[in-house]
Amino acid sequence: AQSVTQLDSQVPVFEEAPVELRCNYSSSVSVYLFWYVQYPNQGLQLLLKYLSGSTLVKGINGFEAEFNKSQTSFHLRKPSVHISDTAEYFCAVSGVTNKLVFGAGTILRVKS
Amino acid sequence: NAGVTQTPKFQVLKTGQSMTLQCAQDMNHNSMYWYRQDPGMGLRLIYYSASEGTTDKGEVPNGYNVSRLNKREFSLRLESAAPSQTSVYFCASRGWGTGELFFGEGSRLTVL
Repeated sequence: AQSVTQLDSQVPVFEEAPVELRCNYSSSVSVYLFWYVQYPNQGLQLLLKYLSGSTLVKGINGFEAEFNKSQTSFHLRKPSVHISDTAEYFCAVSGVTNKLVFGAGTILRVKS
Repeated sequence: NAGVTQTPKFQVLKTGQSMTLQCAQDMNHNSMYWYRQDPGMGLRLIYYSASEGTTDKGEVPNGYNVSRLNKREFSLRLESAAPSQTSVYFCASRGWGTGELFFGEGSRLTVL
């Protein structure tokens, strides 16, 4: 069975600073990996996904993530954050079944 | 362009009452899902339906039932609500293969 661990429950960062949100997964089979963002009182929307191919994946709003199979990680990065990036971010993994398993979430707080 | 529509958006129940959360998608997706979101726990899968006519349990199915009425609709029923079922419920759908989940806006349920 798949599982996801998001290593930080909250990440405070100043505006225009870089940020990394960490995600580790466990799975015995090939995986597909996702990052979703949830703004306050809204549903979830996809930031980016890794299905196959290049291990560096670029998403919306300047975010990118790197798939590292040996470390079983899929960390999310942004070189310069904005106040509007304040939200909760979820890492998720899917294997050969149709189930998508989510991590507990990381709240990104961008301060001015 | 509705996507995934959930009703109701808010509901307050007393312990022991029953209710059904409705979900419909207009993207011709085969797979549909019900998740619950609780602070610090991310999204946990309650039930999912890989295709019309099939349903399977997720991580936290106890106290819930589902019906895949047709390809568009997937409802979640609480037969006898308990305070532990106070949560935000999200419906989602997914096309064939490894594509992303599309989420509804959520239904906030409070059980007193």
